[in-house]
Amino acid sequence: DTAVSQTPKYLVTQMGNDKSIKCEQNLGHDTMYWYKQDSKKFLKIMFSYNNKELIINETVPNRFSPKSPDKAHLNLHINSLELGDSAVYFCASSPYGRRTEAFFGQGTRLTVV
Amino acid sequence: AQTVTQSQPEMSVQEAETVTLSCTYDTSENNYYLFWYKQPPSRQMILVIRQEAYKQQNATENRFSVNFQKAAKSFSLKISDSQLGDTAMYFCAFITQGGSEKLVFGKGTKLTVNP
Repeated sequence: DTAVSQTPKYLVTQMGNDKSIKCEQNLGHDTMYWYKQDSKKFLKIMFSYNNKELIINETVPNRFSPKSPDKAHLNLHINSLELGDSAVYFCASSPYGRRTEAFFGQGTRLTVV
Repeated sequence: AQTVTQSQPEMSVQEAETVTLSCTYDTSENNYYLFWYKQPPSRQMILVIRQEAYKQQNATENRFSVNFQKAAKSFSLKISDSQLGDTAMYFCAFITQGGSEKLVFGKGTKLTVNP
């Protein structure tokens, strides 16, 4: 059983398109995150949700819109894709309030051409 | 600002030898957790080891151990008996108590284990 799963694993799309990445966790965690890993492998948080409520929004362009239909799902929608959006996007989850490690999905490699 | 610094962008070690990866961090918090994550070529982020800041005893997990120096804000990872499968990017990270919860990562160290 996959704990945190993301789809798709790879996404190649043209500039200007709109795309979504889906994430689901079956760990019963309350908190979910989106992280972006750039070409230099640096990992930076984008968003954090706790029980469907947005907790963290780290200076991410408005073209990025997370959506949490329930606490087991956190999707990321990106409008008007730009070349600079090319990166690996990781979904993660953790139990809220326990300050413990985050469990990561397999990542989605987004390539904008 | 809370930051994590990994001063070694790349390291290499011979199979079966020991290697230490360095990490320093900066936070004004007193309670926090520290982690080392491994990212092999498969891209999956795998937790290697965890340390609670309030515990003085250094964490160990099989061949992996840490040297946690709270006053110096240092958290190094030692890998003993290195194996080819240890080849990966290693990220140091911490999460603070209080306020918004988020993992803050260092820039990573690329470790290559040579046969």
